[in-house]
Amino acid sequence: AQRVTQPEKLLSVFKGAPVELKCNYSYSGSPELFWYVQYSRQRLQLLLRHISRESIKGFTADLNKGETSFHLKKPFAQEEDSAMYYCALRSQGGSEKLVFGKGTKLTVNP
Amino acid sequence: KAGVTQTPRYLIKTRGQQVTLSCSPISGHRSVSWYQQTPGQGLQFLFEYFSETQRNKGNFPGRFSGRQFSNSRSEMNVSTLELGDSALYLCASSLDRGAGELFFGEGSRLTVL
Repeated sequence: AQRVTQPEKLLSVFKGAPVELKCNYSYSGSPELFWYVQYSRQRLQLLLRHISRESIKGFTADLNKGETSFHLKKPFAQEEDSAMYYCALRSQGGSEKLVFGKGTKLTVNP
Repeated sequence: KAGVTQTPRYLIKTRGQQVTLSCSPISGHRSVSWYQQTPGQGLQFLFEYFSETQRNKGNFPGRFSGRQFSNSRSEMNVSTLELGDSALYLCASSLDRGAGELFFGEGSRLTVL
């Protein structure tokens, strides 16, 4: 069964501190992994996807197939990074079926 | 471009009733998918439509159904509502199947009393 686990429901850091949001997945094939973000009073939106290997808003995420992880990292957190973050997995190419983790609420304190 | 539009935004129904939710994708987007979001289960995939055909279905009972029209607009229907159907129903569109990025609407919040 496909499963995405985000072990931390809440994560609080201070501005300027490094932040890492954890994501572990369970899937035997080659998954596509995504991070979606929802800022306060905004829609859920794509932050980044592993195949693009981009850095978006200073965030990066590396797919580690050995550890089945896709942790999201940022070296220096900003207050505007406060949001709900969801890790998601797509197991079927050409499909829009995503399996989401339950999310981590990140709060960046001034 | 206008974003994904969902109507109604809020609705209250009683057990046993049925409900129809509507989704207008971003202009030019041909794929529409639906998700249910609850505090307990999080975001769960309901179904996916492309070219007026259901391409994928999540693990939900047959009371949940949907369709897509030739203009890519989509509707989902829940019949014989149960208390547990109370949730935020999110619609997402993408340019094409498997395009990667889903664009989400604001959702329709359904309360079943």
